Amino acid sequence: DIQMTQSPSSLSASVGDRVTITCRAGQIIDRYLNWYQQPPGKAPKLLIYAASTLHSGVPSRFRGSGSGTDFTLTINSLQPEDFATYYCQQSYATPSFGQGTKLQIK
Amino acid sequence: QVQLQESGPGLVKPSQTLSLTCTVSGGSISSGGYHWSWIRQPAGKGLEWIGRTYSSGTTNYNPSLRSRVTISLDTSKNQFSLNLSSVTAADTAVYYCARGSVVVPAASYYYYMDVWGTGTTVTVSS
Repeated sequence: DIQMTQSPSSLSASVGDRVTITCRAGQIIDRYLNWYQQPPGKAPKLLIYAASTLHSGVPSRFRGSGSGTDFTLTINSLQPEDFATYYCQQSYATPSFGQGTKLQIK
Repeated sequence: QVQLQESGPGLVKPSQTLSLTCTVSGGSISSGGYHWSWIRQPAGKGLEWIGRTYSSGTTNYNPSLRSRVTISLDTSKNQFSLNLSSVTAADTAVYYCARGSVVVPAASYYYYMDVWGTGTTVTVSS
């Protein structure tokens, strides 16, 4: 079971800010890392797969990077619809998710 | 485009079996290159992957749930299902179904879940 740890658990930011969320894997997972966005009360949506590939239709202000055990999701110029909870998920072995990062409006 | 919709009882008694169905529209569940997953989320908590099935019928399960879970395909109805036996209150959650896809650059298989259902709430209570 690969443990995924996200930081921070929550953060506050303003529209127009740039934010970074970190995800650390409990072992090396190459680039087998996906990011999802979950708006309040809704289902998750895929943002990024294979660590840095933007899913179709996802705005270019979202950027993923990293390899091995350390990964980041960066959101440039926050928009109102970006305030949600973000999850990383490894696909190297039996899938597992991070605990989530709740992005709130400051 | 492909859409998924979960259905099933919203209330299940302890020790009984939770049974949910995911209906796929806009595409065939038999299409190669995809797999079909179940994920759950207790209220106010994070996501937990339950398991998946491929169009071939091959299944993978979360080791923590393996002894109680069965996921199966019904290609005639374009559906896949989840059975979770011997449920307790800890199984109360929103249950999501999702389609999994894969990209294979340079012989590396990168799996991800790109289409999700809206989720269905299941409460385990007597």
